[in-house]
Amino acid sequence: TQLLEQSPQFLSIQEGENLTVYCNSSSVFSSLQWYRQEPGEGPVLLVTVVTGGEVKKLKRLTFQFGDARKDSSLHITAAQPGDTGLYLCAGAHYDYKLSFGAGTTVTVRA
Amino acid sequence: DTGVSQDPRHKITKRGQNVTFRCDPISEHNRLYWYRQTLGQGPEFLTYFQNEAQLEKSRLLSDRFSAERPKGSFSTLEIQRTEQGDSAMYLCASSLGDSGNEQFFGPGTRLTVL
Repeated sequence: TQLLEQSPQFLSIQEGENLTVYCNSSSVFSSLQWYRQEPGEGPVLLVTVVTGGEVKKLKRLTFQFGDARKDSSLHITAAQPGDTGLYLCAGAHYDYKLSFGAGTTVTVRA
Repeated sequence: DTGVSQDPRHKITKRGQNVTFRCDPISEHNRLYWYRQTLGQGPEFLTYFQNEAQLEKSRLLSDRFSAERPKGSFSTLEIQRTEQGDSAMYLCASSLGDSGNEQFFGPGTRLTVL
C-alpha cells in the first residue's frame, strides 16, 4: 500500500497543453520531493519542498506544497514531448526514508 | 560524472542462485539507501546506512537479503537463493546529512529471476 496517492495514474496530452499531477496523503511530511523517471533508469530529483504553502518554479514546472504539508501538486505549462516520463512524489517524515507514490505516467504527443 | 553508480545494470539469474549488487554513492554522502521498485509501483524502502552503520531494515527485506557498507563508502546488496518474486529494479540512493533529505538515485540494477 502506497502512503502517497497520486492522480491521475496516466495522462496523455498534446504538445502545448497544460497538465497538473496531484499527490495526496493523510500523513504530514517534513519535506516532499518530486522525481521524474525514464524507463530503465533511476528517478531524477526535480525539486524538494519543505515549507507548508511553498511554491517553487523550475522553468515551465510549478510545484506546490499544501499548507498542512500533506499534499502537493506539479503543474506543467505548455508541455513538450521531452516532458514525457513517470513523475513520482515522495514524502519524508523527519527521518531518513522516503515513501513514494505509485507515479503518474505522462505522455506528451507531438 | 560524480553521481551515484550501480553495477551491474542488468542481471539475469536462475531461481536459487545468489546475486550481489554494488552501489557507489556520491562521494562525501554519509547516508546510503536501498529501494526496490516493481512494475507500476513507486520505489519501496529496503534499508538505510549512515556511514557504515545499518540503521533500519524494512520488513520487505527477508533473511535472504543482506546489505553491507564497509568503511562507509560503497555498499553491496546480496540476495541468496533468489526467487521469481525477487525480480525487480533495485535502486540505490545517497544523501548528505540533513540536506532536506534530498536523495539522489543511481540508475538501478534490473534483476530478472528465471
